[in-house]
Amino acid sequence: GQNIDQPTEMTATEGAIVQINCTYQTSGFNGLFWYQQHAGEAPTFLSYNVLDGLEEKGRFSSFLSRSKGYSYLLLKELQMKDSASYLCAVMDSNYQLIWGAGTKLIIKP
Amino acid sequence: EADIYQTPRYLVIGTGKKITLECSQTMGHDKMYWYQQDPGMELHLIHYSYGVNSTEKGDLSSESTVSRIRTEHFPLTLESARPSHTSQYLCASSEGREDSGNTIYFGEGSWLTVV
Repeated sequence: GQNIDQPTEMTATEGAIVQINCTYQTSGFNGLFWYQQHAGEAPTFLSYNVLDGLEEKGRFSSFLSRSKGYSYLLLKELQMKDSASYLCAVMDSNYQLIWGAGTKLIIKP
Repeated sequence: EADIYQTPRYLVIGTGKKITLECSQTMGHDKMYWYQQDPGMELHLIHYSYGVNSTEKGDLSSESTVSRIRTEHFPLTLESARPSHTSQYLCASSEGREDSGNTIYFGEGSWLTVV
């Protein structure tokens, strides 16, 4: 079967750095997405990786290793507004998105 | 940025009522989706469409139906609402290209409560 694993919950301190990991086992691979979802709101797109390596976008970076079936989302200079769930999703060989359950990130002052 | 709109945003209805959740996008995206998500839980795909006159069922068994008569419009209908249908319903769309054009953009969601 297809599977995506993320930690259920993480806690970090304002101003610090946090890394959210995602491992996947899917039938084929056509890209990996990260989304941010604040409580009670819809997910918003953060990043897309299809080749190995690091993609940087301001305070957020996303890394992919296809051979290891592994990605991480790195958040720097954490702010209180970064408290949210972070969803990892992989597009399989049929271009269907497989979603992880999400990681709830709690930021403490 | 995506322009995808859902109505109503919040709705409370009685058991047995028929309800249609509206979804429209102004980007000309071919692919559209309906997801169901309970608070704090994962997303479940209930319906999707590749384009006009195309509709497919998703992974989660659903008693709802969809139609795609126009590219921009993808309504979801519950013929007879039950309390178990209480949830958030998220509409989404994507270009459907085989690259970053597969990025899915979500509407703001419709919160449905069946009493």
